Amino acid sequence: DARVTQTPRHKVTEMGQEVTMRCQPILGHNTVFWYRQTMMQGLELLAYFRNRAPLDDSGMPKDRFSAEMPDATLATLKIQPSEPRDSAVYFCASTGTRDYEQYFGPGTRLTVT
Amino acid sequence: GQNIDQPTEMTATEGAIVQINCTYQTSGFNGLFWYQQHAGEAPTFLSYNVLDGLEEKGRFSSFLSRSKGYSYLLLKELQMKDSASYLCAVSPFSGGYNKLIFGAGTRLAVHP
Repeated sequence: DARVTQTPRHKVTEMGQEVTMRCQPILGHNTVFWYRQTMMQGLELLAYFRNRAPLDDSGMPKDRFSAEMPDATLATLKIQPSEPRDSAVYFCASTGTRDYEQYFGPGTRLTVT
Repeated sequence: GQNIDQPTEMTATEGAIVQINCTYQTSGFNGLFWYQQHAGEAPTFLSYNVLDGLEEKGRFSSFLSRSKGYSYLLLKELQMKDSASYLCAVSPFSGGYNKLIFGAGTRLAVHP
């Protein structure tokens, strides 16, 4: 049963600290998305990659957020420095070349105090 | 700009039928999606419409009218487990086939 995995599932950190979230897409999927979900803003696209190349990161605050795909099995989202307003659930999703369905991971619930 | 509107909350009775509407205005259009999200869980795919008309999949159906910028999700024979948020999403032409813009979601509560 192929699934997207994300670590950590929960993260509590203090303002100013660096946060790194990791995602393992479904094997063979070539497109990876990072979303952020809050009660106020709903589900927002932060960035996405195809074949490990960034296609669109217009939804991401560039001064503190960065997203990378070091290899086809790992995507990372970093926040440095973190702020309380970054508290949210961060979802990773993946899809294949001919797929229209996005498969979401379980999410990382981030709390910045 | 991009705008997707759907009702914030709906309630319905077990066994009944409910229709969740979605209207959209986007810079392009390459498909409309519905996702289901139970509280505390990840969204899961329900349906995809790219042509006008009704797509039926079991108890769930989704309708699209591109000229009106309108879609609905129809849930029949409601069950308690259908209590969840339902997210309408559009794939705009710009940005590629897979990019999705999500609406705020409709929280559906199913009562006995």
